Amino acid sequence: DAGVIQSPRHEVTEMGQEVTLRCKPISGHDYLFWYRQTMMRGLELLIYFNNNVPIDDSGMPEDRFSAKMPNASFSTLKIQPSEPRDSAVYFCASSRQGIYSPLHFGNGTRLTVT
Amino acid sequence: AQKVTQAQTEISVVEKEDVTLDCVYETRDTTYYLFWYKQPPSGELVFLIRRNSFDEQNEISGRYSWNFQKSTSSFNFTITASQVVDSAVYFCALLNRDDKIIFGKGTRLHILP
Repeated sequence: DAGVIQSPRHEVTEMGQEVTLRCKPISGHDYLFWYRQTMMRGLELLIYFNNNVPIDDSGMPEDRFSAKMPNASFSTLKIQPSEPRDSAVYFCASSRQGIYSPLHFGNGTRLTVT
Repeated sequence: AQKVTQAQTEISVVEKEDVTLDCVYETRDTTYYLFWYKQPPSGELVFLIRRNSFDEQNEISGRYSWNFQKSTSSFNFTITASQVVDSAVYFCALLNRDDKIIFGKGTRLHILP
């Protein structure tokens, strides 16, 4: 059974560029989460979806961030324009029964904005 | 305020020693969930355990055990007879009725051969 798949594993971009992170959740999982991990702030929930519908996006830092889930097997997190302070590891996670269930995390995308 | 504190930033022990990772939480809710996750060097977080606030029984899974004490708002994690493969960052997390999951800052555990 394949786990949560994220791409790319690493992304280096210049300030001002658009960045798109991708995630494929585990088949059959109805919930998808985007987290950001930094040394200063630890793990932060950015947004989560239930059945492809955004439920809570209160963690999205600002309008430069947007997330979509066009179907049950794919989600994107876009940053436009990117800034150096967006540098972090971004994790996607999925679960079968929501936030009370164990989360299955992907390997993360390490984003560096120069 | 909802908060998870993992006071131990980094711990090093020699293989085969026992080690306890502390987790103290704050919440106004009477119903909540606590979690532990492991983040090995490969990067992905791996679920270890979930405990709800009404279940104060301690849990043992192989070399891992968890001690949940509501009286002290703690949910500590003990590894018995540690192994090098246990080296990782361990996160404690709290999920309350607001459906907000809050992670602690993590404890980096080094098991020395």
